[in-house]
Amino acid sequence: GAVVSQHPSRVICKSGTSVKIECRSLDFQATTMFWYRQFPKQSLMLMATSNEGSKATYEQGVEKDKFLINHASLTLSTLTVTSAHPEDSSFYICSARDIDRPLGETQYFGPGTRLLVL
Amino acid sequence: GQNIDQPTEMTATEGAIVQINCTYQTSGFNGLFWYQQHAGEAPTFLSYNVLDGLEEKGRFSSFLSRSKGYSYLLLKELQMKDSASYLCAVMDSNYQLIWGAGTKLIIKP
Repeated sequence: GAVVSQHPSRVICKSGTSVKIECRSLDFQATTMFWYRQFPKQSLMLMATSNEGSKATYEQGVEKDKFLINHASLTLSTLTVTSAHPEDSSFYICSARDIDRPLGETQYFGPGTRLLVL
Repeated sequence: GQNIDQPTEMTATEGAIVQINCTYQTSGFNGLFWYQQHAGEAPTFLSYNVLDGLEEKGRFSSFLSRSKGYSYLLLKELQMKDSASYLCAVMDSNYQLIWGAGTKLIIKP
């Protein structure tokens, strides 16, 4: 099956610094990637939809200037958490859509990135 | 608005059968997904239903009734490793996944 990677898997940073998370589709082209955030014991919350070559679409309540998304190629999307604060500590998960597959197989998840802001 | 409902937590015994229900109200329907998520890990795909009826895949089966806006995930011969959260998600008319809050399944020996 299709594989999506995320890097780093885990990051600890100081408050006020920026953190970049990469999401790559390894064996297919992903015109659309999704970024989710998940707090402990809660479900996935969609943050934004990233489309290759265009601006990301952010969900209500998600700050565009704080969570910068770049989808510069068909296999890579990045999420940068700018000026991170402790409340940004969470599990960030990306998924990528393979439009060449049937609907039931379209989304593949990366392994997630655990961010801890001190 | 769009809404997915599933129980918050369920407990079952090893070797038994458990059914996790999911009801939904969404803008359009392009299929319903079930994912399994172990603590600290990303979700893994279990099943996809777009037509009414039962889809069986090993110990796991998933049922869909579009007219009732209802699905269930049936897990048979429960094993301790099945302890996880089970997420129901519906793909709406924009091909976007709408997620339920997840059902935490606890398996007891």
